Amino acid sequence: GIQVEQSPPDLILQEGANSTLRCNFSDSVNNLQWFHQNPWGQLINLFYIPSGTKQNGRLSATTVATERYSSLYISSSQTTDSGVYFCAVAPNDYKLSFGAGTTVTVRA
Amino acid sequence: DAMVIQNPRYQVTQFGKPVTLSCSQTLNHNVMYWYQQKSSQAPKLLFHYYDKDFNNEADTPDNFQSRRPNTSFCFLDIRSPGLGDAAMYLCATSGKRDEQFFGPGTRLTVL
Repeated sequence: GIQVEQSPPDLILQEGANSTLRCNFSDSVNNLQWFHQNPWGQLINLFYIPSGTKQNGRLSATTVATERYSSLYISSSQTTDSGVYFCAVAPNDYKLSFGAGTTVTVRA
Repeated sequence: DAMVIQNPRYQVTQFGKPVTLSCSQTLNHNVMYWYQQKSSQAPKLLFHYYDKDFNNEADTPDNFQSRRPNTSFCFLDIRSPGLGDAAMYLCATSGKRDEQFFGPGTRLTVL
């Protein structure tokens, strides 16, 4: 099956800092999503981005499908940004394969 | 608001006592999924329904079964829960080859 690698595994930020999370995948994909898992366990949709660039407030994402990677950029981080960020991809169908996640801790 | 709803949010059961988790959606999506997520791990797909067609992942234990009586509802049945089945269970929905939306999850404890 498709391999999904996220880096870094852990990230500690000072409030107000910027950072980039990376997702590499081993095959072409039809679907790529970024999620934020909150402390209560719910997966919150951040971006549906099989290709191109999108922005939503302080977050933006870019997927370069030909190079098989996606990046999530967090600007002016806040403590509420803390949690686990997952990248998930679907190659030919609609079943998502998740990366191991990046645990982000934002300190006040 | 259109959404994915899971009940209960927390479920405690005894070793070997059958338990059923519920998921409903107001998105009118074709596909409904069940994932298992253990502590500090990524969600793992157990099975999904494409309309009425049931699709089981190869490594999903026989102890786990699912029912989808109509478009809106889907149930996860654990016939004989073991200690290793304690986890967060996440339901998700999507249209055809489309973005998935997740419910808030049910956290299962097995005593």
